[in-house]
Amino acid sequence: AQTVTQSQPEMSVQEAETVTLSCTYDTSESNYYLFWYKQPPSRQMILVIRQEAYKQQNATENRFSVNFQKAAKSFSLKISDSQLGDTAMYFCAYTGANSKLTFGKGITLSVRP
Amino acid sequence: GAVVSQHPSRVICKSGTSVKIECRSLDFQATTMFWYRQFPKQSLMLMATSNEGSKATYEQGVEKDKFLINHASLTLSTLTVTSAHPEDSSFYICSARDSGGGQTQYFGPGTRLLVL
Repeated sequence: AQTVTQSQPEMSVQEAETVTLSCTYDTSESNYYLFWYKQPPSRQMILVIRQEAYKQQNATENRFSVNFQKAAKSFSLKISDSQLGDTAMYFCAYTGANSKLTFGKGITLSVRP
Repeated sequence: GAVVSQHPSRVICKSGTSVKIECRSLDFQATTMFWYRQFPKQSLMLMATSNEGSKATYEQGVEKDKFLINHASLTLSTLTVTSAHPEDSSFYICSARDSGGGQTQYFGPGTRLLVL
């Protein structure tokens, strides 16, 4: 079975600075997708970024980028120029052949003004 | 694009009554939708996979007779919590996967259920 591990329960960052959220996963599949979702206080799950395992290039979406290390099964999220609106819970997630999402426990990120 | 709506956003009901939650994909077709439950400060727990035109697939430990799922069209799935009890109080979230391809799930805004 696939597992997703987010070992840091909380992080804090100063506004305008950069922060990296860690995620590791375990799988025996060769073809899969990895995601970072954001859940602000409204509790709406928002897709932040997506990475396809067969693509070597790291995905980027504006201020958000990932460091995908396939051999190490690591998938960290970097948020540049942090904004107050980035305050949220962030979930790392995996999906493979069965199309089900496996989530990590999540990390609460606080952006300080 | 890729908008999923969920209704109602909040519901309070008496113990023993049934509650129906609707999940709609507004701008895409979804042969597969998913229902999750989330407790405060915790991750999402998959309850079941809803397949258009066929029976839902439930995760281990989820009572299919209590949580009835119907996926009658390519844009609508419903979750009915039957004979609700206070322990069913939770935040329920649906997601939909675009039938056009890709493995990305798009989430509804969630339904907060309180059973008195």
